[in-house]
Amino acid sequence: ETGVTQSPTHLIKTRGQQVTLRCSSQSGHNTVSWYQQALGQGPQFIFQYYREEENGRGNFPPRFSGLQFPNYSSELNVNALELDDSALYLCASSSKGEQYFGPGTRLTVT
Amino acid sequence: GESVGLHLPTLSVQEGDNSIINCAYSNSASDYFIWYKQESGKGPQFIIDIRSNMDKRQGQRVTVLLNKTVKHLSLQIAATQPGDSAVYFCAENTAFSGGYNKLIFGAGTRLAVHP
Repeated sequence: ETGVTQSPTHLIKTRGQQVTLRCSSQSGHNTVSWYQQALGQGPQFIFQYYREEENGRGNFPPRFSGLQFPNYSSELNVNALELDDSALYLCASSSKGEQYFGPGTRLTVT
Repeated sequence: GESVGLHLPTLSVQEGDNSIINCAYSNSASDYFIWYKQESGKGPQFIIDIRSNMDKRQGQRVTVLLNKTVKHLSLQIAATQPGDSAVYFCAENTAFSGGYNKLIFGAGTRLAVHP
């Protein structure tokens, strides 16, 4: 176990809705990264938060947004959900390099 | 749990044999490389990493080889066990200006171990 937790485990949303996913980082880790993993593919980098600021972003539209809190936990928000947003969403926490992944949230958009 | 790697290439091996999983990476500026194991319904689990200034690193039953000339990475698993069955991803870590770093994952290989 990595000590990184995510909630919820699964959820189902309808196209056009909004969703918030949560991640608690490993103790002492001040950096959280979010990844999207479509079925049968490797994880794709969404963005990274360091000390409550977004400091890097992948090729995802602005409707993907996030927050990091003073305790370094983080949220991923996705607005105007599309069918293609169905995926496993992973967060990873790190301190000085190695990223430790949580179990993921499986999002299904219908 | 839902299966990852439904459309990934599969390596089938007999229990006790050695396994070799290969990966090609794209960015010659990447400073280190990691192998992850992902079981169904779980997040990627760190196996072993290697810095770009090394060409080989050994762990417990695993060895990673890095060939920077051809941008190739391999993971060798000795005496493969049924518990090794999973999808394996290589990832390259790239640092960017602004202080962030991201992992770029390869396509993945499913390892199936047969008794």
